[in-house]
Amino acid sequence: DSGVTQTPKHLITATGQRVTLRCSPRSGDLSVYWYQQSLDQGLQFLIQYYNGEERAKGNILERFSAQQFPDLHSELNLSSLELGDSALYFCASSGGDTTLTDTQYFGPGTRLTVL
Amino acid sequence: AQKITQTQPGMFVQEKEAVTLDCTYDTSDQSYGLFWYKQPSSGEMIFLIYQGSYDEQNATEGRYSLNFQKARKSANLVISASQLGDSAMYFCAMSRPDMGRRALTFGSGTRLQVQP
Repeated sequence: DSGVTQTPKHLITATGQRVTLRCSPRSGDLSVYWYQQSLDQGLQFLIQYYNGEERAKGNILERFSAQQFPDLHSELNLSSLELGDSALYFCASSGGDTTLTDTQYFGPGTRLTVL
Repeated sequence: AQKITQTQPGMFVQEKEAVTLDCTYDTSDQSYGLFWYKQPSSGEMIFLIYQGSYDEQNATEGRYSLNFQKARKSANLVISASQLGDSAMYFCAMSRPDMGRRALTFGSGTRLQVQP
């Protein structure tokens, strides 16, 4: 158990809908990262927050947005869902915001299925 | 752009034997971190080992060791005394300089199957 929690574990929804994925980082960690894992794209970095501020933005679609709240939990909002958004979405956390000294610990993931 | 290459899509190893999973990387950055993660069939990503680009010694964590050859840009994972529970996908990852070294880029993974 990494200490990172994600809810829900599974999510099935229809095209055009909107969903929210939730992540709680390990105790004491200030950074939250979101990654998407799909069969065709592999593991792709989406976005990172550090202590409530956006710090890095990767291949995140405009239909997707995220935020980190004062209690450091984070939410990833996916809207106007398409079939291709079906994937495993991971949240990871670390103490700082650099991969030179900080390891990212991953949560169990949320498996999203868009029908 | 930085890139991670894992050339072995799948590997088999006998229980109790050692196995090496290959990882080569391409980056123009001078400071970077290299990571290995394990993903069992249950789906979670488990951190295994870390190597910093300026670390002079190869990293070790229990049965895992990282064979880091900076000049060759390789960071191979060695698992000693394989166990059935080691059967999983293994991903090599490194810091992304285009993201201020904050995010990771991952290879395509190697599926390891440990046979009894």
